[in-house]
Amino acid sequence: GENVEQHPSTLSVQEGDSAVIKCTYSDSASNYFPWYKQELGKRPQLIIDIRSNVGEKKDQRIAVTLNKTAKHFSLHITETQPEDSAVYFCAASKELTGGGNKLTFGTGTQLKVEL
Amino acid sequence: DTGVSQNPRHKITKRGQNVTFRCDPISEHNRLYWYRQTLGQGPEFLTYFQNEAQLEKSRLLSDRFSAERPKGSFSTLEIQRTEQGDSAMYLCASSLGVPGYNEQFFGPGTRLTVL
Repeated sequence: GENVEQHPSTLSVQEGDSAVIKCTYSDSASNYFPWYKQELGKRPQLIIDIRSNVGEKKDQRIAVTLNKTAKHFSLHITETQPEDSAVYFCAASKELTGGGNKLTFGTGTQLKVEL
Repeated sequence: DTGVSQNPRHKITKRGQNVTFRCDPISEHNRLYWYRQTLGQGPEFLTYFQNEAQLEKSRLLSDRFSAERPKGSFSTLEIQRTEQGDSAMYLCASSLGVPGYNEQFFGPGTRLTVL
């Protein structure tokens, strides 16, 4: 089955700096790669996603890049703010019977943005 | 609130007891997923419904676990003869059943503690 590795496990940056989180996946059939932000005690919230036919996607301060050949994808957060502090999870998925998709998550990155 | 809802939010039970959790997806979403999340880990896929049909089950879902979605709307997850290893956050997610639409939206979860 799919295996997703995520690095680093913890990341501390100064406010205004950039943060980069990297993930690799194993199943070449995976075609959808979402990123979730989870604050303590809250539900995972989708912040950005990318499909395998696209190499890069940007939404304001957040961008995701995908290298299908190397099977890795990355999350980039620019101009970090204290409210960006949370655990970030990457996931990889492929289509299931009926059209749904099974998400396989990484182990998470605890991002801390310091003042 | 038009998001995914789950009840109860917390459940404490003694080992050997049965528990049942409920998930109400976003109203127009016909795909529903259950995941389990333990401390410090990403969510792990358990099962998937397209309308009332259960189309995929993880090997993680032992015989003690059963999920239903009888009318294609809300879903229940039952754990029989609970064990301490079942202690986790049980998350439900829903998605619109449109080809190429992959986004999954999570509920707040039910935190299960087995004593």
